[in-house]
Amino acid sequence: AQSVTQPDIHITVSEGASLELRCNYSYGATPYLFWYVQSPGQGLQLLLKYFSGDTLVQGIKGFEAEFKRSQSSFNLRKPSVHWSDAAEYFCAVGVGSSNTGKLIFGQGTTLQVKP
Amino acid sequence: ETGVTQTPRHLVMGMTNKKSLKCEQHLGHNAMYWYKQSAKKPLELMFVYNFKEQTENNSVPSRFSPECPNSSHLFLHLHTLQPEDSALYLCASSRDIQGLQETQYFGPGTRLLVL
Repeated sequence: AQSVTQPDIHITVSEGASLELRCNYSYGATPYLFWYVQSPGQGLQLLLKYFSGDTLVQGIKGFEAEFKRSQSSFNLRKPSVHWSDAAEYFCAVGVGSSNTGKLIFGQGTTLQVKP
Repeated sequence: ETGVTQTPRHLVMGMTNKKSLKCEQHLGHNAMYWYKQSAKKPLELMFVYNFKEQTENNSVPSRFSPECPNSSHLFLHLHTLQPEDSALYLCASSRDIQGLQETQYFGPGTRLLVL
């Protein structure tokens, strides 16, 4: 069955430090991969997505993610975290055909940023 | 982000009440979605509508009844809910469902508490 695992439920980093959020997926075919961010009281906002091509994907707000097929991973990174990055982050995989696909989400990782 | 709005933002209801959640999108999209976000669980897709037609019902109990009168509005009618239905209900929209490349835009959600 398709699934997405985010091993870290909660991460705390200092402002200015680098960040990596882990995501592993289980899916038999070529995956469509997404990272979303949810700020308190807000809906989900798309940070970036991977469909094909270059395995290093650039997103908004200075985030990037790297698709590694051999490790079934799609980890999110940011070189220098800002206090405004404190939020919940969700990894998702698109399953099914491109005409009927839906998103399977991970449980989310809560990011806390220390001053 | 004001492209997708949801009302009410918070709702408390008893198990015998009937209430409705409303979602409106101002993006000119044709596909709309209901998701359920429970604490400690991944986001769950409930329903998908494309051009006002329901294309997905993810085994949702009949006490949840969706309605899509036009491409801009989506309702979720609630009847005789259970305490375990307490969650954040998120609405999303996309240009259509033809392809996972279509980004889904989320509303801020309705926080529902069933007593």
